[in-house]
Amino acid sequence: SSELTQDPAVSVALGQTVRITCQGDSLRSSYASWYQQKPGQAPVLVMYGENIRPSGIPDRFSGSNSGNTASLTITGAQAEDEADYYCHSRDSIENHVVFGGRTKLTVL
Amino acid sequence: QPRLQESGPGLVKPSETLSLNCTVSGGSISSSNYYWGWIRQPPGKGLEWIGNIFYSGSSYYNPSLKSRLTISVDTSKNQFSLKLSSVTAADTAVYYCARCYETGQWLSFDYWGQGTLVTVSS
Repeated sequence: SSELTQDPAVSVALGQTVRITCQGDSLRSSYASWYQQKPGQAPVLVMYGENIRPSGIPDRFSGSNSGNTASLTITGAQAEDEADYYCHSRDSIENHVVFGGRTKLTVL
Repeated sequence: QPRLQESGPGLVKPSETLSLNCTVSGGSISSSNYYWGWIRQPPGKGLEWIGNIFYSGSSYYNPSLKSRLTISVDTSKNQFSLKLSSVTAADTAVYYCARCYETGQWLSFDYWGQGTLVTVSS
């Protein structure tokens, strides 16, 4: 299967830690990438590969991968982190690309 | 840093062909390090990958769209294009173009255009 499954919604108190997870068979052979999307804006890459943050992404964002699960952790969530988050990976077997269904993060 | 800009009609009639261009500035589309991709997002819904193309013309597509889809590249214009035929209302979406970095272990879209809304309606 080439699907990636995400929890539809997650909430976190301001300053606390939150983990957003992504599950799928493609993650056994390919690292996930993660995107943040705010309303009316294009997605922004926040994590890729083996826990690599693009330039400009705060270090409170971190990633991990284990088996068929990838996680994006925000340590000390800020109000500006409230957004939709998507995971994404390559399906090596079927040679295509798949996005997860979206996790809406609310910072309380 | 590259900039990507989508262009094309915002309204397409059902059964016709949706055509979009993505112009890349601030970098060469002929770089051997990158693919170039299209992603779409129906209103209020999640992201859907459409397809990727290399500057050589090598491409791969979302299987669910493959029969209606053509992605091409014009290196002389630093541009790549999307054509989706026989559109229906289900193809109404914001269409994004993006630069895609691929390795054997991961793939990521690191630069995106601002997106363009295409509505399919008569």
